[in-house]
Amino acid sequence: DIQMTQSPSSLSASVGDRVTITCRASQSISSYLNWYQQKPGKAPRLLIYAASSLQSGVPSRFSGSGSGTDFTLTISSLQPEDFATYYCQQSYNMPLTFGQGTRLEIK
Amino acid sequence: QITLKESGPTLVKPTQTLTLTCTFSGFSLSISGVGVGWIRQPPGKALEWLALIYWDDDKRYSPSLKSRLTITKDTSKNQVVLTMTNMDPVDTATYYCAHSEKSSGSRWFDPWGQGTLVTVSS
Repeated sequence: DIQMTQSPSSLSASVGDRVTITCRASQSISSYLNWYQQKPGKAPRLLIYAASSLQSGVPSRFSGSGSGTDFTLTISSLQPEDFATYYCQQSYNMPLTFGQGTRLEIK
Repeated sequence: QITLKESGPTLVKPTQTLTLTCTFSGFSLSISGVGVGWIRQPPGKALEWLALIYWDDDKRYSPSLKSRLTITKDTSKNQVVLTMTNMDPVDTATYYCAHSEKSSGSRWFDPWGQGTLVTVSS
């Protein structure tokens, strides 16, 4: 199985900050990497697919980059509604695997 | 607009079989490239992929749970059913179904159902 490791596990930031979350795969996964946002008590929401493609309806302050084993999710200017948990997911190989999550909290 | 909704028991006893139904609208599971997946999330923990069924009835399972899982589809009813045998308290989780698409080899889940919390307890 491909292991997905996110860092940091948790992060405190302020409204307006630029934030970067990293996801590392245990082997190369090309660009087969997706990012999700999950708020408490809610289902995950797709933000970025194929490493860097912004899902329709997602604000442009979210962006994704990377290929191979190292990927990043960047939020250019944090908004109050962005405080949530973020997960990466690889689709290069079965079984599909998720990272352990990064909890983004208000400073 | 694509929507999905999970249904099934909220409480099951250890060793029982869990049957969950995902009822969806806004897409057809007979269209090339389309799939429906199941993902679960124990309270306070990360997401775990369980199973995926494709438009052509190809089925994929998490290797760690494969012996306990069965996924089927009923295209005429717009439903996907997941069964999990021999339930244990560690299987307590919110179970989600999600629409799956792919492009250029990459596959993602969007949107997701609201999820259903299943508790395993005697």
